[in-house]
Amino acid sequence: GAGVSQSPSNKVTEKGKDVELRCDPISGHTALYWYRQRLGQGLEFLIYFQGNSAPDKSGLPSDRFSAERTGESVSTLTIQRTQQEDSAVYLCASSFWEEAETQYFGPGTRLLVL
Amino acid sequence: KQEVTQIPAALSVPEGENLVLNCSFTDSAIYNLQWFRQDPGKGLTSLLLIQSSQREQTSGRLNASLDKSSGRSTLYIAASQPGDSATYLCAVIDNNAGNMLTFGGGTRLMVKP
Repeated sequence: GAGVSQSPSNKVTEKGKDVELRCDPISGHTALYWYRQRLGQGLEFLIYFQGNSAPDKSGLPSDRFSAERTGESVSTLTIQRTQQEDSAVYLCASSFWEEAETQYFGPGTRLLVL
Repeated sequence: KQEVTQIPAALSVPEGENLVLNCSFTDSAIYNLQWFRQDPGKGLTSLLLIQSSQREQTSGRLNASLDKSSGRSTLYIAASQPGDSATYLCAVIDNNAGNMLTFGGGTRLMVKP
């Protein structure tokens, strides 16, 4: 079946602009996760959704970051007033909520803020 | 706060060698541990998942071990091939932390023909 997809695959934007990143999880997966990987650094957890709810937003780097999920399906990660330090690969993953399940990752969106 | 460390950061070996990648974590109260592979321009692929009650998992030429009490895991790759060249990531899920993965920095592996 189809895996996790993300769009766009690459995004170049100017400092100060807003960007929206999209994640389409595997159908039926109740949990969805966003991670960030900055150049030369490990993956950093941002936020997760259980259904359409995000119980803990403390992983978001700043209040310029927000995320939502609708219909227990698509999720968007929005970065307002982008800064150069936001440049990274943003990875989305989905899973069934049972804790033993493996998270399936999408290919990521490579964001470059000039 | 859980911290995951991977050693070495980079490794280059000739084809055919057996090799070991190391992962350590500071908080032993984990639910499970996973090893992932990351190829340039692609997402992560899960290789092996070890539940906290397990000691090891095997898949083909890969074997992962877990010593929860000492906070260590190893990924053993037998008879390495050029196609094994990738970044290998270790990640844990802590107890009572939902399904959030805490990742190590990865080991970049190059297998030379």
